[in-house]
Amino acid sequence: DQQVKQNSPSLSVQEGRISILNCDYTNSMFDYFLWYKKYPAEGPTFLISISSIKDKNEDGRFTVFLNKSAKHLSLHIVPSQPGDSAVYFCAARRLSNTGKLIFGQGTTLQVKP
Amino acid sequence: EAGVVQSPRYKIIEKKQPVAFWCNPISGHNTLYWYRQNLGQGPELLIRYENEEAVDDSQLPKDRFSAERLKGVDSTLKIQPAELGDSAVYLCASSLVRGQTEAFFGQGTRLTVV
Repeated sequence: DQQVKQNSPSLSVQEGRISILNCDYTNSMFDYFLWYKKYPAEGPTFLISISSIKDKNEDGRFTVFLNKSAKHLSLHIVPSQPGDSAVYFCAARRLSNTGKLIFGQGTTLQVKP
Repeated sequence: EAGVVQSPRYKIIEKKQPVAFWCNPISGHNTLYWYRQNLGQGPELLIRYENEEAVDDSQLPKDRFSAERLKGVDSTLKIQPAELGDSAVYLCASSLVRGQTEAFFGQGTRLTVV
């Protein structure tokens, strides 16, 4: 049972344009959501997060939007840069299981110069 | 500040052989996680430690996998005997306190079982 889903395995955008990565979840008990970025041969690095009591969190070029009614979140990168090319993982935490993260399958983003 | 350190980076073993992975978390981090990442998938939690206590090992295949975190610092994950399906990247992560969600990951150990 995949509780966190990233249905797009890959995304390609032009440098300077907006990248939108999507994530859907099924468990209404999730209270915190995160995005991690992973370069080849490296471990995932934390990018941005959002609490379920908010619908938007912004950090520089990165903004995460949460739509609880649709159980959907998205990561916007504006403007996209070639260095953003990586695998992006969406993750969620259950309120009753502090610390445990449930990850999606990942989306590979390629930003073309 | 040094990050999470894992070794080895790569390991190739024959099936039925034992293998061990080592993790040194960020200094002062009480919570330590072991995740397994299969090809094309996201990481999946194997075990979580709060100091030296394993507080969540529900997804650890206990017939062949074992882990320890002596003295609540370094941790070792062992597989004995390894099977072909164990080929994956094994990631260690740590966080400062219980409940802090922004875990920091190491580079991982890529295991290939042949």
